[in-house]
Amino acid sequence: EVQLVESGGVVVKPGGSLRLSCAASGFTFGDYTMHWVRQAPGKGLEWVSSITWDGINTHYIDSVRGRFSISRDNSKASLYLQMDSLKTEDTAFYYCAKDGLWWAWGQGTLVTISS
Amino acid sequence: ETELTQSPGTLSLSPGERATLSCRASQSVSNTYLAWYQQKPGQAPRLLIYAASSRATGIPDRFSGSGSGTDFTLTISRLEPEDSAVYYCQQSGTSLITFGQGTRLE
Repeated sequence: EVQLVESGGVVVKPGGSLRLSCAASGFTFGDYTMHWVRQAPGKGLEWVSSITWDGINTHYIDSVRGRFSISRDNSKASLYLQMDSLKTEDTAFYYCAKDGLWWAWGQGTLVTISS
Repeated sequence: ETELTQSPGTLSLSPGERATLSCRASQSVSNTYLAWYQQKPGQAPRLLIYAASSRATGIPDRFSGSGSGTDFTLTISRLEPEDSAVYYCQQSGTSLITFGQGTRLE
């Protein structure tokens, strides 16, 4: 069974940094593109970033490009999101998701940006 | 960027009725890359339909997906109370993945 477990969500002040992690199991992690998707409280789903299986190609939504960095460690079956220069509008649940014909999602971790 | 527009914004129906949810794309989306999700408060999105019309594991056959190109539909026949949720469509056929804004089903 595919399992994705996010961690690292905390309360951070504007301008601060944070690194989210996602531990994957139940599938061959190194074979799949992975994603981060977020959802601000009471709002819809917003794709944030993706990384190909080999870590070579990455993509970002415009609002986070240059501030967030996605990475992965296939030897640890782990996905990461380094978040810098955080803004209040980055407050959201952050989900990691496995690509494929169908996506599998984690349960999310809450990031709160507040002074 | 492929924009997805869902309609209606809110749908109020009774148990036993049929719900028809629409997702319109700003440019053509391959069926392979169109999915539907259900989300209830405090929960992660739950995959209902992938590849436009394939039901995910464990999803009742009351849920069906159809469409192609720029127009896709999620149909829920014989509504049950537990179907109250927000439903999202998603396209993953481009490097910039997008979601519709959601339809709230009451």
